[in-house]
Amino acid sequence: EVQLLESGGGLVQPGGSLRLSCAASGFSLSSHAMSWVRQAPGRGLEWVSAIYKTESSTYYEDSVKGRFTISRDSSKNTLFLDMNSLRAEDTAIYYCVKGIMGGPGAFETWGPGTTVTVSS
Amino acid sequence: AIRLAQSPSSFSASPGDRVTFTCRASQPVSSFLAWYQQKAGKAPKLLIYAASSLQSGVPSRFSGSKSGTEFTLTISGLQSEDFATYYCQQYYTYPWTFGQGTQVEIK
Repeated sequence: EVQLLESGGGLVQPGGSLRLSCAASGFSLSSHAMSWVRQAPGRGLEWVSAIYKTESSTYYEDSVKGRFTISRDSSKNTLFLDMNSLRAEDTAIYYCVKGIMGGPGAFETWGPGTTVTVSS
Repeated sequence: AIRLAQSPSSFSASPGDRVTFTCRASQPVSSFLAWYQQKAGKAPKLLIYAASSLQSGVPSRFSGSKSGTEFTLTISGLQSEDFATYYCQQYYTYPWTFGQGTQVEIK
């Protein structure tokens, strides 16, 4: 069974850093495009970042460019999101998602999410 | 960024109703449009991709269509488990963007 499980969320002060992890099972991360999607409290969904089979192919939403970095460890079948210079507006549930073959931007598998709270 | 405008933002319906949601893109997105269902406290679930392709395991009462830059999601015969929020999303160009959602409530 294909599963994703995020971890690493928590409370962090503005300007701080956090690393989110997403452990994948039932498939190989390196064979699929993966993304992070977030949802602020009571708000809609927002795509954050994507990584393709070749790690040189990474993409970011404008507000996180230069602050967030997506990467993966194929040996551990784990996806990461390194978040720096965090702001209050980054407060959200962060979901790890798997894109469908042939349509990497359509997300067929979602993790349960991990909550990030940026507050002093 | 491409904006997706969903209408209505919310509405009430009864079990058995045929309901249709609309998603209008501010620019052409070809058929790179997906629909998701989200229930309270849960992660979203993919229903439709490529504008009209039904995701595996999704009931056939869900269907999607496209006309230019206007996309529709139709539920033929609303079931009690369908009361949720529905989002459209374009993956034609970066940044991939979502609509603001349509919430379906029980009448």
